[in-house]
Amino acid sequence: AQSVTQLDSQVPVFEEAPVELRCNYSSSVSVYLFWYVQYPNQGLQLLLKYLSGSTLVKGINGFEAEFNKSQTSFHLRKPSVHISDTAEYFCAVSYTGTASKLTFGTGTRLQVTL
Amino acid sequence: NAGVTQTPKFQVLKTGQSMTLQCAQDMNHEYMSWYRQDPGMGLRLIHYSVGAGITDQGEVPNGYNVSRSTTEDFPLRLLSAAPSQTSVYFCASSITGSNTEAFFGQGTRLTVV
Repeated sequence: AQSVTQLDSQVPVFEEAPVELRCNYSSSVSVYLFWYVQYPNQGLQLLLKYLSGSTLVKGINGFEAEFNKSQTSFHLRKPSVHISDTAEYFCAVSYTGTASKLTFGTGTRLQVTL
Repeated sequence: NAGVTQTPKFQVLKTGQSMTLQCAQDMNHEYMSWYRQDPGMGLRLIHYSVGAGITDQGEVPNGYNVSRSTTEDFPLRLLSAAPSQTSVYFCASSITGSNTEAFFGQGTRLTVV
C-alpha cells in the first residue's frame, strides 16, 4: 500500500532560522510528490510539486524541496522562516495510473516564534 | 473566481441524524474527492469521482455516500451520523491525472454529539 511518513509532528523554530520538514514515501516505479500548506482555519494549497527532471524543486514563499529517489525522500526546506510561515505542512504522493488520488502524510506543524 | 466552495462551514449533528455536505467547483475539473482530516492522521480519502456518473470508494468510505450527477457538484451524505464522524471534511477538485494540483475547499467542521 502507498504510504507517506512525516516523522515530525511539530517543529518549533525561531524567526529567520532555517528549517527542514522531512517526508519519506513508500517506493514505487513512478511517483509524483507534493507539499501542501494549511494555514489556520483554511483549506490546503499547493506549495510545490515534483513531477520529473531536476530533483530540486522551488515553490512559493521561498520554499524548496529535494527529491531523493535512493532514499525515497522529499524533504521541504526554507533558509529563513517568517512568522507568517506558521502553518501545517502536508507531504503527499500520487502514483501513475491512480488518476488524481493523493496519499497524505500525517502533517507537520511548523511553529515560528520571535 | 470561486474555485471550490463547501457548505456549511460548521455543523453540529445528533447521533443518528443524516445530512449532506455540499461541494461545488467552477473550474470544470473532472476529478473530485472528499477527505476527512483528524488530528495526527492527516487527510484520508473517503470517496472520489473521475467524472459525472462515476464514483468510487477511498480509504475510509463506511458511513458515507456520494453521487456525481454534474461535473460541478459532488455532495457527501452522512446516512446516520456517529461520534466517530466528528472531523473536518475537505472537498478537492483537479484535472484528472496523477501529476496535477488539487484545489481544496475551506472545509466543513462537523461535530456529532
